[in-house]
Amino acid sequence: SAVISQKPSRDICQRGTSLTIQCQVDSQVTMMFWYRQQPGQSLTLIATANQGSEATYESGFVIDKFPISRPNLTFSTLTVSNMSPEDSSIYLCSAVAGGYTDTQYFGPGTRLTVL
Amino acid sequence: AQRVTQPEKLLSVFKGAPVELKCNYSYSGSPELFWYVQYSRQRLQLLLRHISRESIKGFTADLNKGETSFHLKKPFAQEEDSAMYYCALSGWGKLQFGAGTQVVVTP
Repeated sequence: SAVISQKPSRDICQRGTSLTIQCQVDSQVTMMFWYRQQPGQSLTLIATANQGSEATYESGFVIDKFPISRPNLTFSTLTVSNMSPEDSSIYLCSAVAGGYTDTQYFGPGTRLTVL
Repeated sequence: AQRVTQPEKLLSVFKGAPVELKCNYSYSGSPELFWYVQYSRQRLQLLLRHISRESIKGFTADLNKGETSFHLKKPFAQEEDSAMYYCALSGWGKLQFGAGTQVVVTP
């Protein structure tokens, strides 16, 4: 199994600013992902965080808005840039320790409110 | 296109009654399907996956490729089953979630 922690757990930010969310896994994992859960909505995949290379973004998400880093096998960051109130969401990090069909573990989420 | 549909946003059942959460999917390949659960104030966690064919907390789910369904069932609901349930489809590890079904079990 993998235990995932996220920092910060919540934040309130002003529009136009940026916030970086950290995701730490307690063991080496093969895959890491970032999801967004808008108020009252389900989870939507933002991108796959690739170790040592650029993240792979899903349709509707771009690197300039959501830059992602993954410097090693246990850590990743997601930055929400130039924020607007529409970015108010819960952002979740997840990780898979083995292959594609293995259990995906989720972090507790970061609740972001943009004023 | 890949799609996961959970038609019920809210399911209210009495303790001891059977509960069934519906999930339908569309996927061009061989699907990997999961049920995730989120209890109040807890993180999202895996409940079960079709590939393991196991029963967790009394829940079972059978993949029906003909009907493209992966419904979640439990014969006797308990109050601790009250939670948000998500059906998810995996493609190369990337999960696509359904809208979720809120289950409320009343005594």
